[in-house]
Amino acid sequence: KQEVTQIPAALSVPEGENLVLNCSFTDSAIYNLQWFRQDPGKGLTSLLLIQSSQREQTSGRLNASLDKSSGRSTLYIAASQPGDSATYLCAVRGNYGQNFVFGPGTRLSVLP
Amino acid sequence: EAGVAQSPRYKIIEKRQSVAFWCNPISGHATLYWYQQILGQGPKLLIQFQNNGVVDDSQLPKDRFSAERLKGVDSTLKIQPAKLEDSAVYLCASSLVMGVVNTEAFFGQGTRLTVV
Repeated sequence: KQEVTQIPAALSVPEGENLVLNCSFTDSAIYNLQWFRQDPGKGLTSLLLIQSSQREQTSGRLNASLDKSSGRSTLYIAASQPGDSATYLCAVRGNYGQNFVFGPGTRLSVLP
Repeated sequence: EAGVAQSPRYKIIEKRQSVAFWCNPISGHATLYWYQQILGQGPKLLIQFQNNGVVDDSQLPKDRFSAERLKGVDSTLKIQPAKLEDSAVYLCASSLVMGVVNTEAFFGQGTRLTVV
């Protein structure tokens, strides 16, 4: 059974810092991995999707990497801004037909 | 492109009452998911549909929860009777069918249920 963990559970940084959020999964037989952002009281917004054959994906100030063999993914946020404050969730999809398994999330606060 | 639509946004009911949530996925998305998110936790899958067939409902409490996806488009999730521990956000998501390269999942805004 796939299990997903995220470290740290919460993170507070001053504006402008670069930061890394970590995601680990126990079963390396994955189809893809997706990073989401969730603002309080809102749904999930997709940030980046990495297929199992890819090593990384970039979108603006965000870069996500995937090391399938070690069961790890990182989300790198460059030059953080107060508007980046949210909970960041990673989700892993198993092979054909399986659903997304989510981590518990990392709650990020960027202080002005 | 319209996103995943859910209603209602908020619902407060008393325990033992029944409640229903509605979801309209992105047009053309064959796969539809219902997730339950308890405060402070990641979402947990309740049920996954492919068109109008159930792919995975292993974590759905079938004694009180039911879901259907008639005609392979809209879906409803029902709870009857509700318990206090059902208080959570219920999220609907959709994606293209598995096997297509880009199977990114898109989520709706969710329905926040409070059972008192």
